[in-house]
Amino acid sequence: GQQLNQSPQSMFIQEGEDVSMNCTSSSIFNTWLWYKQDPGEGPVLLIALYKAGELTSNGRLTAQFGITRKDSFLNISASIPSDVGIYFCAGQLGGSNYKLTFGKGTLLTVNP
Amino acid sequence: GAVVSQHPSWVICKSGTSVKIECRSLDFQATTMFWYRQFPKQSLMLMATSNEGSKATYEQGVEKDKFLINHASLTLSTLTVTSAHPEDSSFYICSARQSTNEKLFFGSGTQLSVL
Repeated sequence: GQQLNQSPQSMFIQEGEDVSMNCTSSSIFNTWLWYKQDPGEGPVLLIALYKAGELTSNGRLTAQFGITRKDSFLNISASIPSDVGIYFCAGQLGGSNYKLTFGKGTLLTVNP
Repeated sequence: GAVVSQHPSWVICKSGTSVKIECRSLDFQATTMFWYRQFPKQSLMLMATSNEGSKATYEQGVEKDKFLINHASLTLSTLTVTSAHPEDSSFYICSARQSTNEKLFFGSGTQLSVL
């Protein structure tokens, strides 16, 4: 089946720094999604990308859908302590297939 | 925004007992719901796809007789872990697909601990 490789696994940064994480896939997805999960909670959608090459922002977050449709990245600018959490990418084939395939997650720690 | 309520948020049970977890879409209809399990520090793994009024579709390696899924209405799906064992201890998360715009929304998860 399809697999998503997400990197890095973890990051330790200082408040105010920018962060970048990415996902690559062995095959094509038609939708890429980025989620944040806090401990003991379900994932919360940050950004959804629906077209190859699409670049979308949500506040300090920016994500892009790779033109090959096999990759995506998420950038967080000017990080703050509440950005701490696990970030997951997810791919969706779309059409009548709504299943999500998740990356393994990036654990972000922000030091104030 | 759309809200998915998952209940209970945590449950402790004895080995051999059955546990039911509910997933409700509070303000929208969901023809499709998904059930995931997540082990500590790992990703979400899809267990099954639940379609309203029909049998669930299970992912490879997931025992359908152990993880019973019922999706009797457009706003409720339930996952029953039957004859639970310690290895079933995990974080279970549901998501619901909003019928009108196909967006997916997640519940807040259920931490199951089997003693």
